Amino acid sequence: DIVMTQSPDSQAVSLGERATINCKSSQSVLYSSNNRNYLTWYQQKPGQPPKLLIYWASTRESGVPDRFSGSGSGTDFTLTITSLQAEDVAVYYCHQYYSSPYTFGQGTKLEIK
Amino acid sequence: EVQLVESGGGLVKPGGSLRLSCAASGFTFSNAYMSWVRQAPGKGLEWVGRIKSKTDGGATDCAAPVKGRFTISRDDSKNTLYLQLNSLKTEDTAVYYCTKGLIQDFWGQGTLVTVSS
Repeated sequence: DIVMTQSPDSQAVSLGERATINCKSSQSVLYSSNNRNYLTWYQQKPGQPPKLLIYWASTRESGVPDRFSGSGSGTDFTLTITSLQAEDVAVYYCHQYYSSPYTFGQGTKLEIK
Repeated sequence: EVQLVESGGGLVKPGGSLRLSCAASGFTFSNAYMSWVRQAPGKGLEWVGRIKSKTDGGATDCAAPVKGRFTISRDDSKNTLYLQLNSLKTEDTAVYYCTKGLIQDFWGQGTLVTVSS
């Protein structure tokens, strides 16, 4: 199974500052035939289902603010939130859909400092 | 507008069974891969399993902790996804979400399954 490890587990960032969440997979999630990374990022607020932010590691979902961006390839990925807003307080998860069983990172709790 | 509405959750004793349903609308259900993901109280997300579209073979796949106990199926004529849960254990207590597509771009609100004596 592919193990997804996020860092940090929690983070406190000041409003307007940058937040960076890292995700490392135990094996590559890059599919060579189409050069796509099978990696998504989700945001989950309390009492709500997760919401898709980023897919194919770096493609922003429609309607997601452009302060959210994804980067990385192979085994190392990053979710960056530039200029943190109060509504960005949530738990963020990375997820690989490269091979079954599909797996999630343990989550990163983002708070306001 | 895409909608996924889960139902069928509730309180069940260890060893019991439940069938969850997910009613889909707003997209071509028959063409979509569909999945189940669960979240134990206060915990992270855990992928339960997936069913491919019938045009891609309709195969199912489940995570190891539920393999042999849970079964995923679909009825494309009713735009409905199912999760049959058998031999339930206390550790299966969770909110169960159905999700749409390979990239799981839309999630239902979830249905709570509580396994307790």
